[in-house]
Amino acid sequence: DVKVTQSSRYLVKRTGEKVFLECVQDMDHENMFWYRQDPGLGLRLIYFSYDVKMKEKGDIPEGYSVSREKKERFSLILESASTNQTSMYLCASSPARTDTQYFGPGTRLTVL
Amino acid sequence: KNEVEQSPQNLTAQEGEFITINCSYSVGISALHWLQQHPGGGIVSLFMLSSGKKKHGRLIATINIQEKHSSLHITASHPRDSAVYICAVRPNYGGATNKLIFGTGTLLAVQP
Repeated sequence: DVKVTQSSRYLVKRTGEKVFLECVQDMDHENMFWYRQDPGLGLRLIYFSYDVKMKEKGDIPEGYSVSREKKERFSLILESASTNQTSMYLCASSPARTDTQYFGPGTRLTVL
Repeated sequence: KNEVEQSPQNLTAQEGEFITINCSYSVGISALHWLQQHPGGGIVSLFMLSSGKKKHGRLIATINIQEKHSSLHITASHPRDSAVYICAVRPNYGGATNKLIFGTGTLLAVQP
């Protein structure tokens, strides 16, 4: 079974803090994605990566950056957390040339 | 206007009822996905469709490409079917990337 893990299920941070969310997949997938999920808005793509050290902006990249130094790991960074970044963050991975994405359990981030 | 619209947004059913969730989209697509999200966050892929109909157990998914519409049916519904059901499409623009566009989800509650 494909396994996608995220570093924390729940996280509470203060405004202005630097926040790291980590995602690891164990199936050698080329593609990895970071989404945020908010009520009434569905899943929105923040960034994705189709190879090591490669990244592309999604629909809402402002206030976020990413890092992919190894194929299995994709990190989402909030340089200076703000209250409007309080959300559920979901990581996903997929093999190249297929659509089916495998999701992690999510991290519920609260920024106070 | 969202490129992927689902209806209804919320649905309450009695155990045993036949359930239909609808998804309409406004872009050309190469595939459509139905996903399930249980309380707690985890998302799993149920179906990927590019034409016709697929069946898995009590779940049936259909797609009409000409009408840009898909339905997810649940026969003999059970309380364990209670979840958010999400429709997502892979647009046929944007090159070889595997990005999906997501609907906002349908929250289904099946009461015993």
